[in-house]
Amino acid sequence: QKEVEQNSGPLSVPEGAIASLNCTYSDRGSQSFFWYRQYSGKSPELIMSIYSNGDKEDGRFTAQLNKASQYVSLLIRDSQPSDSATYLCAGVSGTYKYIFGTGTRLKVLA
Amino acid sequence: EPEVTQTPSHQVTQMGQEVILRCVPISNHLYFYWYRQILGQKVEFLVSFYNNEISEKSEIFDDQFSVERPDGSNFTLKIRSTKLEDSAMYFCASNGVGDIKQYFGPGTRLTVT
Repeated sequence: QKEVEQNSGPLSVPEGAIASLNCTYSDRGSQSFFWYRQYSGKSPELIMSIYSNGDKEDGRFTAQLNKASQYVSLLIRDSQPSDSATYLCAGVSGTYKYIFGTGTRLKVLA
Repeated sequence: EPEVTQTPSHQVTQMGQEVILRCVPISNHLYFYWYRQILGQKVEFLVSFYNNEISEKSEIFDDQFSVERPDGSNFTLKIRSTKLEDSAMYFCASNGVGDIKQYFGPGTRLTVT
């Protein structure tokens, strides 16, 4: 059974701090990973994709992938109250089917 | 910016009734998906569709479910005889050729009473 695991949180950080969200996956065949943000009652919104080992930066967001450790992370710099949401990690392998984690709820405290 | 659209936004139905959820994927996309999310739980894959046929389906996607692309723009999910446990948000997603990033529609909240 291919799984993506996330700590459900909530993860609380003060405004302006760095939020660090983590994800592990069981399928070594997974090649591509995505971070989605989901506000309550809304659909997932794509934030970042990462396909290679290392870091990928986009604005305040940095995704990190370590395939040897089967570990993906998302860093959010200068966290804002509007970043408060659930962050979903998804892995893809073989077919284009996404396997989602349960999501980590982030609360940014003003 | 092109986006995936879904109708209706909320559907209430009685147990045993048939429902059809509709999606219009992004116009040049060729891969289509349905996912569902039961309240408080993870997003779960239901089915993928390419070239007018199902590419893959999950264990959830049993004989009560079917998908169709009735014309060049719509992609539908039919549940033949709804059960209480079908109550969930249903998301449609699509991606283009050579791009595995999936773009999600706003979802349809299905409530089975």
